[in-house]
This record gives sequence, structure tokens and C-alpha cells, in this order.
Amino acid sequence: DSGVTQTPKHLITATGQRVTLRCSPRSGDLSVYWYQQSLDQGLQFLIQYYNGEERAKGNILERFSAQQFPDLHSELNLSSLELGDSALYFCASSVDLGLDSPTGELFFGEGSRLTVL
Amino acid sequence: AQTVTQSQPEMSVQEAETVTLSCTYDTSESDYYLFWYKQPPSRQMILVIRQEAYKQQNATENRFSVNFQKAAKSFSLKISDSQLGDAAMYFCAYTIPGNQFYFGTGTSLTVIP
Repeated sequence: DSGVTQTPKHLITATGQRVTLRCSPRSGDLSVYWYQQSLDQGLQFLIQYYNGEERAKGNILERFSAQQFPDLHSELNLSSLELGDSALYFCASSVDLGLDSPTGELFFGEGSRLTVL
Repeated sequence: AQTVTQSQPEMSVQEAETVTLSCTYDTSESDYYLFWYKQPPSRQMILVIRQEAYKQQNATENRFSVNFQKAAKSFSLKISDSQLGDAAMYFCAYTIPGNQFYFGTGTSLTVIP
């Protein structure tokens, strides 16, 4: 158990719909990352939040948005869903004490498997 | 730009043998961190080993060890006494403090009984 909780674990929806994926980081971790992994593909970095602020943005579509709340949990919103959005969406967290501190590793949740029909 | 390259999409090893997975990275930073993650069929991402760039000593975790060549920007993973449970996708990753993590495309390891 990594300590990172993602809900829901599985989600099936139709094209054009909107879904929200939720992530609770490990206790004390300030950074949250979202990754997308399509079938038999690598990890595509979507976005990173640090203590409520967006820190880095990767290949995130305009139809997707995310935020990190004051209690540090994060949500990834996916709208106008397309078949190609079917994937495993990972949330990960790290301690991230800042630029002058050692970097902790990423702890991953079990992922949310999204199927768009 | 930081990039991580895993040139071996697939590897196989006989049970109880040793296998080495390759990873190279590109960076102009001097302070950074490297990781190997394992993703078994369950799709859970599991940390295998980490290496701080400032440490010259190669990291070791039981049957897993790395060969960190800073000048060559190479970070290979050696798995000794391979077990069936080692079959997984392995991802190499790089980061610098306060920054995002960069992952390679992965190497699929098959363990042959």
C-alpha cells in the first residue's frame, strides 16, 4: 500500500461525457502528479501540483483540467470524452521539500481505469 | 531538455539468471535523482531502486543493483537470480529537486521458467 488513494478504480462512460478522478496523496506529501497510461504505452505526464499551485504542465489536453485543494487532495476532470481517452490514469505524490532538499520518490496510487465507449 | 531513453523494448531472462536493463538520460544538471520502477501485470507502479547523482556508490536493493555511470549518463538495472515474479514492465525515471519526473518508454521483461 503506497498510501496514495485513487477513486474510482474503474469507470465506464460514453463519448462526450465528463468524469472526475480523485486522488488523496500520502500524508505529508505536498506534490501531486497525474499521468496517463494508454494500453501497452508508457507514462504520459499530464500535470503537477505543489501545495495547491500548478507547478508543471505536460501533454494535457484542453479538455482536461485539474486542481489541488487546500487539504492537498487533487481532482482530474476529463470532459468531452473521446474513445482515445480510454486509459489508466495514475496519481502519484512525493514529499518535495523544495529545490534545496533531497527529492523523494514518487508514490503511485493504483490508478483509475477509464473506459470510454 | 531532459529525456530518458530505454533502448530495449523487450528483454527475456531464464529463471535464476542475471539480466541488465539499460537506461540513458540527457541532462545538463549536476544534482538529480534516478529511479527504476516496476509495473507488474497488476499495473501498480512499484519503486525498485533509487540513486542520487551526488553519490558515487551504486545503489543496491537485495537482488537489484544499478550501474550508475554519471559521465556517460547511463543508469542500468541489474537483476540477479531472476524470479518469475520479476516479470514486469520496468521504467527508468529522472528528476531534479522541485521538478517533474521524466520516464522512459519502458522495458518489458519476461522471465522464462
